[in-house]
Amino acid sequence: EVQLVESGGDLAQPGASLRLSCAASGLTFSSYWMHWVRQAPGKGLVWVSRINNDGGTTTYADSVKGRFTISRDNAKNTLYLQMNSLRVEDTAVYYCVRWPDVWGQGTTVTVSS
Amino acid sequence: QSGLTQPPSASGTPGQRVTISCSGSSSGLGTNSVNWYQQLPGTAPKLLIYSTNQRPSGVPDRFSGSKSGTSASLAISGLQSEDEADYYCAAWDDSLNGVVFGGGTKLTVL
Repeated sequence: EVQLVESGGDLAQPGASLRLSCAASGLTFSSYWMHWVRQAPGKGLVWVSRINNDGGTTTYADSVKGRFTISRDNAKNTLYLQMNSLRVEDTAVYYCVRWPDVWGQGTTVTVSS
Repeated sequence: QSGLTQPPSASGTPGQRVTISCSGSSSGLGTNSVNWYQQLPGTAPKLLIYSTNQRPSGVPDRFSGSKSGTSASLAISGLQSEDEADYYCAAWDDSLNGVVFGGGTKLTVL
């Protein structure tokens, strides 16, 4: 069974940093582009970032460019999202996605003072 | 990042056919295929339709997708109470160099 399990969500103060992880199993992780998508409380889905299969190509939404960094470790079957300079508006559930069909259960990031 | 446009709500009675629209730009829907997702409360989105009109294994054929120009539609026939959920469209946008989502449509089964 293909599974993605996110972790690392937490309560953080504005300006702080967090690193999200997404552990993949049941798939040849190194073969796939991977994405992060977020959903603020009571709001819709918003695309955050993507990375190609070998980690050499990354793309970001304008709202996180320069603050967030997506990366992967194919040896560990793990996707990461380094989140720096966090803002209140980054508060959301963050989903790891093997685009377009496999989604993790999400991890919650809350940014508040 | 500019998104796709969906109606905020839709409704129908059991057995009825409903459609949900999704409109975008020439660099988005006009060029690329669309995916549709169903999200039940408190759960992760589930892929319903990919590549505009393809159903993943396990998705009932009551769900179908289509696209014309810069607009796409999701049709649900034989509406059932368990179809009550939020529905999102998504597509790659070449100009924005990213995925854009619709704002979501809340489907109510009356």
